[in-house]
Amino acid sequence: SAVISQKPSRDICQRGTSLTIQCQVDSQVTMMFWYRQQPGQSLTLIATANQGSEATYESGFVIDKFPISRPNLTFSTLTVSNMSPEDSSIYLCSVGTSGGRTYNEQFFGPGTRLTVL
Amino acid sequence: GNSVTQMEGPVTLSEEAFLTINCTYTATGYPSLFWYVQYPGEGLQLLLKATKADDKGSNKGFEATYRKETTSFHLEKGSVQVSDSAVYFCALMGNQGGKLIFGQGTELSVKP
Repeated sequence: SAVISQKPSRDICQRGTSLTIQCQVDSQVTMMFWYRQQPGQSLTLIATANQGSEATYESGFVIDKFPISRPNLTFSTLTVSNMSPEDSSIYLCSVGTSGGRTYNEQFFGPGTRLTVL
Repeated sequence: GNSVTQMEGPVTLSEEAFLTINCTYTATGYPSLFWYVQYPGEGLQLLLKATKADDKGSNKGFEATYRKETTSFHLEKGSVQVSDSAVYFCALMGNQGGKLIFGQGTELSVKP
């Protein structure tokens, strides 16, 4: 399994500002994912970030609000832009591992707990 | 589209009780199925998985069997401990790989 770290682990931000979350993996991985977990809710995929291509966003999420970078095979960032209190969530990155032709496991980072005032 | 439904929580049990958390899914093709656990204040950990029908995933005394005929992947443990108190998420991954689709999570509280 991969070891994944995220920075920051938590932050309290003001409305209208932006926060960039970093995700670092201890091995090279092709597929990285960003999820959001709103308070008391399940996880929802924001986007898939593959190295060398544009991120693919899920319905309801747009690049202007959640720009993603994936400069190499061990690192990705997610920015939460122009924040509002509704963006208060835990943001988690995950990496996909290959069990053959398809990716059949994901391992998660510890998450970034964001509170927007 | 694909979806996962879990039994609602919270579930409160006494130590050494038998645990079942129901999970059913809707999917095209042959998805892979997972249980993740989130301990208080921590991130998500993969608990067990099954990638084809009739597979049984197991870990730390927990088991779940991939039942295609009932589209279910119920989590069971014969004797829970206080340390099992956490939120449990059932999830599926479509047969093309990629994103996970999660159930709503079930909070388990085990009392001594």
